[in-house]
Amino acid sequence: QVQLQESGPGVVKPWETLSLTCNVSGDSMSNGRNYFWAWIRQPPGKGLEWIGSIYFTGSTYYNLSLRGRFTISVDTSTNQFSLKVNSVTASDAAVYYCARHSAHINLDWFDTWGQGTLVTVSS
Amino acid sequence: EVVMTQSPATLSVSPGERATLSCRASQSVGNKLAWYQHKPGQAPRLLIYGASTRATGIPDRFSGSGSGTEFSLTITSLRSEDSALYFCQQYENWPPFTFAPGTKVEIK
Repeated sequence: QVQLQESGPGVVKPWETLSLTCNVSGDSMSNGRNYFWAWIRQPPGKGLEWIGSIYFTGSTYYNLSLRGRFTISVDTSTNQFSLKVNSVTASDAAVYYCARHSAHINLDWFDTWGQGTLVTVSS
Repeated sequence: EVVMTQSPATLSVSPGERATLSCRASQSVGNKLAWYQHKPGQAPRLLIYGASTRATGIPDRFSGSGSGTEFSLTITSLRSEDSALYFCQQYENWPPFTFAPGTKVEIK
């Protein structure tokens, strides 16, 4: 059974770059041609917001409303995928989740999630 | 972008009773609707996909219905362990995937 675990700095300074990693265990990402790997966040007191998804080849989809500060990458050799957020502001403070969804059309619900990692923006 | 809403925001129910949660989409999503259960400090758990199909291992106390823009999740014979946030998500029109804010179910 696949499991996901996020890791990150916990606290990041305003205008710096936030880097998060999701470790995938229980399955090889390079064998997972049926899946996308996603980042989702939840700011305090707000709903969930999908950031973007990546395929094992590196192909990505992003939430265009987030205006291009986000970059998702994948490293199948370490079975991890990552999120970078440039020039963070207080609005980027959130619990960040990694998750998996199917690459097959009409089957793309999120079947596996990590527990989430809290990111605080503070100088 | 499809906007998802839910009602009520909070639902307080006695053990053994039934809870019915509603989810609405701003435009039709067909049956491309999933429900999740989220307890504090845990990973969200997929309950329902395709609006009405239970995910693997989900007890039949959980059922989903609806299509188009109106959906519901029903939990029967409520137990203390069902206390959680429940949220719906559409996957008909992505990107982006969109989520509703959720309904907090409290057990009296």
